Amino acid sequence: EVQLVQSGAEMKKPGESLKISCQGSGYTFTNYWIGWVRQMPGKGLQWMGIIYPGDSDTKYSPSFQGQVTISVDKSISTAYLQWSSLKAADTAMYYCARLVSKALAGPFDSWGQGTLVTVSS
Amino acid sequence: SYEVTQPPSLSVSPGQTASITCSGYKLGEKFACWYQQKPGQSPVLVIFQDTKRPSGIPERFSGSNSGNTATLTISGTQVMDEADYYCQAWDSSAAVFGGGTKLTVL
Repeated sequence: EVQLVQSGAEMKKPGESLKISCQGSGYTFTNYWIGWVRQMPGKGLQWMGIIYPGDSDTKYSPSFQGQVTISVDKSISTAYLQWSSLKAADTAMYYCARLVSKALAGPFDSWGQGTLVTVSS
Repeated sequence: SYEVTQPPSLSVSPGQTASITCSGYKLGEKFACWYQQKPGQSPVLVIFQDTKRPSGIPERFSGSNSGNTATLTISGTQVMDEADYYCQAWDSSAAVFGGGTKLTVL
C-alpha cells in the first residue's frame, strides 16, 4: 500500500525557520515525483512545487519560487519543504502528494495526511 | 500563467445529477483530473485523464473534457458526496488547481 506520512503540526513565530517532512513507503520512492500543495484556512489548493527523488530535479510554482525550498533524502525516502523565515501568511495546511507518472503530467494519486503550520507571535 | 476556473458552489438534492465545471483556455487539449476533499481530510482523486475512475471510486462519478471546459458529473448524488471538488491540469511543467467548488447535497 502506498503511504505518505507527514511530520506533525508546528507552531512557530514570525522569522523562525522550519522544515517539514513527507516519508513515502509501499513503492519505489525514487521513481515518482513528490509535490507540495498549500491550503490556507478556508481556501483552495495551491501547487507549490515538485521534486523527483531519483535525481532531485525540482520545479517551483512562480508564486513560491524563492519563498520555500524543496529537497529530498532518498536514503530515507523522505521529501522536505522548508522556510528560512516564516511569515504569518505562511499559516496553512501543507500536503505532499505523489505524482502518478514520470512525466510532469497526470494526477496526484496518493496524498499525505497534511501538516498544519501555524505562524503567530 | 495558466488558470482554470470553477463555480464556487453548487447545490443539489439527493438523487439528482451534479455537474461541476472547470474552465480554462483550450483545457480540452490537456488532461484534467478531479479531487474530492471532505472537511478535515486530505484530497482524494476521483477522476483522472478526463474520464477515468481510480479503483474504489463509485461509478456515479464520471468526467468529460472538450473545448475549454472539463466537467465532473455525479449521477444519483448521495449525501456522502457533499464535499469540495477541485479540478487540476498541467501547463508548462506546472500543476494548476481550480479554486474549488463546494457541493451541497440537501
